[in-house]
Amino acid sequence: NAGVMQNPRHLVRRRGQEARLRCSPMKGHSHVYWYRQLPEEGLKFMVYLQKENIIDESGMPKERFSAEFPKEGPSILRIQQVVRGDSAAYFCASSPPGQARKLFFGSGTQLSVL
Amino acid sequence: SQQGEEDPQALSIQEGENATMNCSYKTSINNLQWYRQNSGRGLVHLILIRSNEREKHSGRLRVTLDTSKKSSSLLITASRAADTASYFCATSNNAGNMLTFGGGTRLMVKP
Repeated sequence: NAGVMQNPRHLVRRRGQEARLRCSPMKGHSHVYWYRQLPEEGLKFMVYLQKENIIDESGMPKERFSAEFPKEGPSILRIQQVVRGDSAAYFCASSPPGQARKLFFGSGTQLSVL
Repeated sequence: SQQGEEDPQALSIQEGENATMNCSYKTSINNLQWYRQNSGRGLVHLILIRSNEREKHSGRLRVTLDTSKKSSSLLITASRAADTASYFCATSNNAGNMLTFGGGTRLMVKP
């Protein structure tokens, strides 16, 4: 049973370009979470999705950022017109249904904006 | 501000010593979890304690929860160099929708 798969592992973009980060949850997991982490800091919640639904996007900037988790395929975190401040590690996590939400994390995508 | 705040921010100890990390939070919780992160990697779940539990053990890990003080502690006994990592507490709200992470404690265990 493969773990949470994120790709790419590293992504370099120039200012103004688009960044697409992909996350495939663990088999059987229907909940996906995206977190962002700056160096030497904790994880900041961005968005929580279930298949075809955004449940909570309170941590995601209103502009330039969007997320989806389609019926088929991976979850996508999309950042349009990237700026230097978007440089960070983006982690995806998945969990099975249930009250005690133990999260299983991917290895993250390190986004660098030049 | 973060729901969970770890203390200390950094801790350096010798192999064999015990390491204690504390976490404080602000609002009522459903459960509290501790995670470990090695440099450049994703987080790994260590242990979960529910709001109606006071203490839990898992191997060399011991977690306590005091809901009256809104605090938790993680104790690693007989530490090893391989325990060097960042440790984060995370709280789940009553709706259980998401986990909110603290800033972490960076633990260094010297051989």
